Formats: sequence, C-alpha cells, structure tokens
Amino acid sequence: GEDVEQSLFLSVREGDSSVINCTYTDSSSTYLYWYKQEPGAGLQLLTYIFSNMDMKQDQRLTVLLNKKDKHLSLRIADTQTGDSAIYFCAESIRSGYALNFGKGTSLLVTP
Amino acid sequence: DAGVIQSPRHEVTEMGQEVTLRCKPISGHNSLFWYRQTMMRGLELLIYFNNNVPIDDSGMPEDRFSAKMPNASFSTLKIQPSEPRDSAVYFCASRITDPLGYTFGSGTRLTVV
Repeated sequence: GEDVEQSLFLSVREGDSSVINCTYTDSSSTYLYWYKQEPGAGLQLLTYIFSNMDMKQDQRLTVLLNKKDKHLSLRIADTQTGDSAIYFCAESIRSGYALNFGKGTSLLVTP
Repeated sequence: DAGVIQSPRHEVTEMGQEVTLRCKPISGHNSLFWYRQTMMRGLELLIYFNNNVPIDDSGMPEDRFSAKMPNASFSTLKIQPSEPRDSAVYFCASRITDPLGYTFGSGTRLTVV
C-alpha cells in the first residue's frame, strides 16, 4: 500500500516545543491519529483528530490538519524528557477498520 | 481490564521451526489485528478479523504465515517454517466498533536464528 510519511528523528531541548510532521495518503480517512511508543511497549493512543476539524488542542498537545495537502502535525509544548519516545502518525483505511501507520518519528529530548 | 494480552513476550527459535504467537483481545472488542514491526518496514498490517472472521489477509507475507481466531477471546499467528527474516516484534491489537477504541498489546519479540 501507499506510505504514510514521517521524518525519522527529531531532537529538542527540554522546555522547547516539538513539532512532528506527517503526510498521509487516504483523503477519505475519517480519523487521523497520533500514537506514542515507549521502549519495549506497545503503541498507546496519544490523540486523534476528526477529519472535519482543522485543529485540536489537548493540554500540551496541538494537532493541526491540512486536508488539502494531506498533512498532519503534532506539536508538544514544553517538551519533557519523559516525552522521549517514538511517535506514529496513522490514518484509518479500509472502511475504518484498520490503521495504516507511518514508520514513526523518534523524539529525543535532551536536558 | 487487563488490556490486550500477548504471549510469549520473547521467543527465540531456530530457522525451520514452527512458531505460534498468541493474543487475547479485550473482552467485548469485536475486531482484532496483527501487525509486524521492523526497523526497515515500520508497522505492517498482516491480517485483521471482525467478529472472528478474517476480513483482510493481504498483508500476510507468504504461505508460511497463518492466523486463526477460533473464538472471540483468542487468536494465534503461526509461522511454519520460520526464517531469520521473520525476526520482528509482532503486535496484536483489538477494538470495538468505535474507531477510537483501538488498543495494542505489548508485543512478542521474535528472533529466528
């Protein structure tokens, strides 16, 4: 299938903002997601956005959606060392049953 | 709720051996998914079931892979015979109809030597 594209690495200093970008493939996706994976663990849903929204804010997290360009971004304000993890962008495909994931962005937060 | 339970957590096996990975979805979830994660290819959807019925197995790499879901509380992914290139982390996930109810297990790290 087609690929959901993400940059592979991002390094930020503690306290700065992080922005992780994603380009998805399916313009009919109803929901778009951000998942977080910590070492040795499965993926956990971090946040999501419904396709008829442009922006969603959830505490330190801001999701921006540009449907025209099929571009999704995740901004983490005041990034902490505990935010170091791999972040996956995902789109719903195949009538909403399955999720198609990007390869993940490894976020490293340095003190 | 114990979440999605996968076993074993780690499996090391020799090339040519049969490997069986197990998954217990969250009670009440009606869809189950098997994913494979590697550095090179990221997360790949292998197969998913809806109400215990396989819906799409187009992601299963080849005939050496098979998956079953005999009932709503159990699924297996079998590789026979295993090969070194099958080494990966295999994740099971389940969900209810609500697309937000998608929960992953902790994964099985498979190493084929």
